[in-house]
Amino acid sequence: EVQLVESGGDLVQPGRSLRLSCAASGFTFDAYAMHWVRQAPGKGLEWVSGLTWNSGVTGYADSVKGRFTISRDNAKNSLYLQMNSLRAEDTALYYCAKADSGDAFDFWGQGTMVTVSS
Amino acid sequence: QSALTQPRSVSGSPGQSVTISCTGISSDVGGYNYVSWYQHHPGKAPRLMIYDFSKRPSGVPDRFAGSKSGNTASLTISGLQAEDEADYYCCSYAGRYTYVFATGTKVTVL
Repeated sequence: EVQLVESGGDLVQPGRSLRLSCAASGFTFDAYAMHWVRQAPGKGLEWVSGLTWNSGVTGYADSVKGRFTISRDNAKNSLYLQMNSLRAEDTALYYCAKADSGDAFDFWGQGTMVTVSS
Repeated sequence: QSALTQPRSVSGSPGQSVTISCTGISSDVGGYNYVSWYQHHPGKAPRLMIYDFSKRPSGVPDRFAGSKSGNTASLTISGLQAEDEADYYCCSYAGRYTYVFATGTKVTVL
């Protein structure tokens, strides 16, 4: 059974940093691309970032480019999102999502909440 | 990276069909066949319903069907059931390893 468990969400002040983690199990982690998707309170889903199985290619939404960095450790079956220079508009539930063999997200975690507020 | 456009809400009675449109531009929906649809019940993880604009993952009822024409993709739910009441989002590949979601549609079963 595929499981994705996010952690690291917290209440932080604007301008500070936070690192999210996603622990994966139940599938061959190093064979699939992985992504982060967020949902701000009362809003829709927003793709944040993704990277290929070997970290060879990464992508970022314009809203986070230059501030967030996605990474993975295939030896630890883990995905990460380093978030710097956080803003109030980054407040959201952050989901870790597994890509299928193409360009869809076939399994999702339950999310970890990030609140940016002074 | 502007969000794709969906109607805010659609509704139907049990057994009826509803269709949700998802409109983008030539550099996302119109440029690739990589459109996916997600069902999201509040408080739960989103669920993949359609990928590659018309393919269904195993376990998804065949009441759910996807299509695409030009810059617009569509999701049709036939034989509407109470458990179909949820938020639905389309998502498209947008080039350079980026993706864009739509604004989302709330489906209400009357």
